[in-house]
Amino acid sequence: ETGVTQTPRHLVMGMTNKKSLKCEQHLGHNAMYWYKQSAKKPLELMFVYSLEERVENNSVPSRFSPECPNSSHLFLHLHTLQPEDSALYLCASSRGALTGELFFGEGSRLTVL
Amino acid sequence: KNEVEQSPQNLTAQEGEFITINCSYSVGISALHWLQQHPGGGIVSLFMLSSGKKKHGRLIATINIQEKHSSLHITASHPRDSAVYICAVEKFGNEKLTFGTGTRLTIIP
Repeated sequence: ETGVTQTPRHLVMGMTNKKSLKCEQHLGHNAMYWYKQSAKKPLELMFVYSLEERVENNSVPSRFSPECPNSSHLFLHLHTLQPEDSALYLCASSRGALTGELFFGEGSRLTVL
Repeated sequence: KNEVEQSPQNLTAQEGEFITINCSYSVGISALHWLQQHPGGGIVSLFMLSSGKKKHGRLIATINIQEKHSSLHITASHPRDSAVYICAVEKFGNEKLTFGTGTRLTIIP
């Protein structure tokens, strides 16, 4: 138990569906992240939020839309995804943005049909 | 070529063996992280170091800044150590982590 909880753990969706991934951290951290992990590729940083403000967006396609309503919750809204978006999506948090130890969730494995 | 390279990509060993996983990087860094990813996907931070050596239980991490190299050692390996071990660096002037592709370790009973 790392203090970062992700739901759902597994998600299968069609290309026309709209779904959301949820992340919640119970560590009192100020920064939250979305990472994408594709097979045989390094982890890719997608978004960083610090105190609910987006501080980093790594040229992610607009079909991925993050939302951070407060410092404990982070969402990734998904719509009109492509099969190549199938991957493990990992949420993480840290005390400060882009610094210090990262605490990861268990990940949400997404399959786009 | 990745800025962070790990070797080997895959490693299978017998229970009890001494394990070494290597990480080489080609950029100036302020810190290096070792992470462990379990088969289910969750990632746990093992070490964050900027010089010398750190030890936690059976795990030891070392870093040589001049040679741009770090090693993760596991003593008395156990099947529960089976996981993917990921090296990541914080580059100077850019604190975002740059990740290696990981080393998949399998310990056979």
